[in-house]
Amino acid sequence: EAGVAQSPRYKIIEKRQSVAFWCNPISGHATLYWYQQILGQGPKLLIQFQNNGVVDDSQLPKDRFSAERLKGVDSTLKIQPAKLEDSAVYLCASSYNPGGNEKLFFGSGTQLSVL
Amino acid sequence: GNSVTQMEGPVTLSEEAFLTINCTYTATGYPSLFWYVQYPGEGLQLLLKATKADDKGSNKGFEATYRKETTSFHLEKGSVQVSDSAVYFCALRYGGATNKLIFGTGTLLAVQP
Repeated sequence: EAGVAQSPRYKIIEKRQSVAFWCNPISGHATLYWYQQILGQGPKLLIQFQNNGVVDDSQLPKDRFSAERLKGVDSTLKIQPAKLEDSAVYLCASSYNPGGNEKLFFGSGTQLSVL
Repeated sequence: GNSVTQMEGPVTLSEEAFLTINCTYTATGYPSLFWYVQYPGEGLQLLLKATKADDKGSNKGFEATYRKETTSFHLEKGSVQVSDSAVYFCALRYGGATNKLIFGTGTLLAVQP
């Protein structure tokens, strides 16, 4: 079974520039998550989608971050404008259902460096 | 608030040594507890889980027991291999309608031949 696909694998930008990340979840998975993993820290949830609706975006810095999941499949996460502290690995994960004992499947992540 | 604290790394062991990675948690209610592993260049993978007190999760020779009285979920393995070298994350999940995970900071394990 194909896993969660993310691109690009690496991205280097200068501060104040814009950047976008793409995620293709496992086929049939209704729930999609974006996590931010800063070096030396555990992943932190940014936003959770159920199909194409937002379930939780309480930790998303909405002044600069945005995310969408059109048609309830692929998702993009955008940062505009980027700051130095946005340097991190951005992980996408998906699951079939949001609750119960459902397992999350993670992609390999996009490593962002903001200079 | 809900949080997870795990021992800092790196942990360096020789092959066949005994492994313990400590994890304690703070949570309201009764969270589910997890260990995730991240091998070099790969995404996070679920290693094992426990959903209620006294449950023992196990997989690939790793074990962890949900201890409510000590709010702990320590990861153990009796004999580590070089292939176990990875970063290990302890996590908790709370909230019935969501799968929101709170992760610890991760512990790097390096196993030497």
